[in-house]
Amino acid sequence: QVQLRQSGPGLVKPSQTLSLTCVITGDSVSYNNAAWNWIRQSPSGGLEWLGRANYRSKWYFDYAVSVKSRITIDVDTSKNHVSLKLNSVTPEDTAVYYCARVRADAYYKGMDVWGQGTTVTVSS
Amino acid sequence: DFVMTQSPLSLPVTPGEPASISCRSSQSLLHSDGYNYLDWYLQKPGQSPQLLISLGSNRASGVPDRFSGSGSGTDFTLKISRVEAEDVGIYYCMQALQSPRLTFGPGTKVGIK
Repeated sequence: QVQLRQSGPGLVKPSQTLSLTCVITGDSVSYNNAAWNWIRQSPSGGLEWLGRANYRSKWYFDYAVSVKSRITIDVDTSKNHVSLKLNSVTPEDTAVYYCARVRADAYYKGMDVWGQGTTVTVSS
Repeated sequence: DFVMTQSPLSLPVTPGEPASISCRSSQSLLHSDGYNYLDWYLQKPGQSPQLLISLGSNRASGVPDRFSGSGSGTDFTLKISRVEAEDVGIYYCMQALQSPRLTFGPGTKVGIK
């Protein structure tokens, strides 16, 4: 059974860097038929895709335009985890952050596994 | 960019009765491979979203058959044939045609009358 376990601080000061980690069990971060996504949910409930890491013989990283200048997604294959860094945060970055797997074997199968979510508040 | 809308935004339901949620995309979600890249997710209170339906009508593993998805192009519907109390939560549609850039609808909150 694939599980995604998130960790990271729940409080970040404005202008600092938000850092979260998503540890994958039951699957490999380097699996060719999966993409590892970061999504956030604002306090009003809206879901926003932030970016993903995707391995297809080499690593590819894609980011949402809204955060492209501030975001870095990285992968540690030895620890089987994917990480999110968002720098220069403001209170507008306050949200619940999720990692999630998109699976596409023979065909697209949707975002079938989600982490438990991490509530991040940006405040001094 | 794709804009996703849903209606209604709030849906009181009676257990045992059917329910239906509509999702509309600003652009067609029909891929050249013949599939519509539209998913449905349910976020139960206090939980992470969970996949219900992918590619417009494919139920995810373990999803009860009272849930069904239909539609094509820009208009999609999620139907619950007989609502159960455990079905309460917020339902989101999501387009995946523009993958990796995924876009969610605003959500439909389903509650018991």
